[in-house]
Amino acid sequence: SQQGEEDPQALSIQEGENATMNCSYKTSINNLQWYRQNSGRGLVHLILIRSNEREKHSGRLRVTLDTSKKSSSLLITASRAADTASYFCATVSNQAGTALIFGKGTTLSVSS
Amino acid sequence: KAGVTQTPRYLIKTRGQQVTLSCSPISGHRSVSWYQQTPGQGLQFLFEYFSETQRNKGNFPGRFSGRQFSNSRSEMNVSTLELGDSALYLCASSSGTTAAGANVLTFGAGSRLTVL
Repeated sequence: SQQGEEDPQALSIQEGENATMNCSYKTSINNLQWYRQNSGRGLVHLILIRSNEREKHSGRLRVTLDTSKKSSSLLITASRAADTASYFCATVSNQAGTALIFGKGTTLSVSS
Repeated sequence: KAGVTQTPRYLIKTRGQQVTLSCSPISGHRSVSWYQQTPGQGLQFLFEYFSETQRNKGNFPGRFSGRQFSNSRSEMNVSTLELGDSALYLCASSSGTTAAGANVLTFGAGSRLTVL
């Protein structure tokens, strides 16, 4: 079962624009992670935000976390064609112990 | 530092057969997790092994099994294959400890299984 749910399912933007993806989850968490997957390949870890953090930056990425709303957002600024990929949030579900559970992802398409 | 290696990368099987997939984690990582990815269901957690013991298990039938060896390498097996088992099977490793951030996963490129 999915712990996190991303929104929107798909997003199309032009190069240079910002892309925002949202993630909602169901249970309390220790941390929330975002991963990227290029077509048909393995996932790559982007950023981790702990439950006591509200915002975190890494390069062109900005992640926010609102534990009261059980939601997170990933902002990619000044998007490039190379950012075209699927993006997933992931959390540890209490029901699955230490296992990381992923949402269904947001597919981002950046056109030049 | 070598990444997570999965073999084979592609394979085709027929219904009723069985398949074994292999995963070599990053050196020093003791936890190996397996995921099934399909267009309809997304990324589904199969199981996690830590120090040769299954630590977590997802909601899959008993046809899906796995094991981990003393060198942390892991295999997963699917018996009596069904058409619906066609998927990308992803392996990921982590240190597996409870230290902060220790559950960050490093993924392999995946094994794409097609069942005919």
